[in-house]
Amino acid sequence: EAQVTQNPRYLITVTGKKLTVTCSQNMNHEYMSWYRQDPGLGLRQIYYSMNVEVTDKGDVPEGYKVSRKEKRNFPLILESPSPNQTSLYFCASSLARGRSYNSPLHFGNGTRLTVT
Amino acid sequence: SQQGEEDPQALSIQEGENATMNCSYKTSINNLQWYRQNSGRGLVHLILIRSNEREKHSGRLRVTLDTSKKSSSLLITASRAADTASYFCATVISNFGNEKLTFGTGTRLTIIP
Repeated sequence: EAQVTQNPRYLITVTGKKLTVTCSQNMNHEYMSWYRQDPGLGLRQIYYSMNVEVTDKGDVPEGYKVSRKEKRNFPLILESPSPNQTSLYFCASSLARGRSYNSPLHFGNGTRLTVT
Repeated sequence: SQQGEEDPQALSIQEGENATMNCSYKTSINNLQWYRQNSGRGLVHLILIRSNEREKHSGRLRVTLDTSKKSSSLLITASRAADTASYFCATVISNFGNEKLTFGTGTRLTIIP
């Protein structure tokens, strides 16, 4: 089954404790992206990747890191989480090539992160 | 302010009725996409409509695009309880030779059985 898989589904952590949220897709998509969703703010893009070893900042990249060493995986890293990073996070992938959004995004089921 | 803004923010209708949600945007678009999100889950793509298209259908869904008014609407006909979800429009604009996709804040649709 074609899907985007995120883990974990729920995560509670403390300020400053490094964490990684994994994302994997099995559709051979070149494009992958991370979003955070907060009430009243919709989805905001954190980072995206057009292909292996190519990553770019989105609208809210501060406090986050990503890597794209393999086509299928795109982990989101919070080196020193803070309470303002408490949010619902989504990974997405797309067939789109280059810097184009002419194909639909496929989303994972989300990771609800709480930082205390 | 958002590039794409949905209206209304929330909508409650009886099962079987039609539901209409609107999306307005500010700058010219390359395409516009509608997504559905069930509570706390990932978004699911519904329809993509390009700037040179005026209407698209998919099952009970009908999307229209009026570029002169910079607006789009999503119509769900003969609504069902399973249609209860949040619906988001996403606008794709040209941005310095690339494209940028921006989501609106969504319409929360509740279907009353």
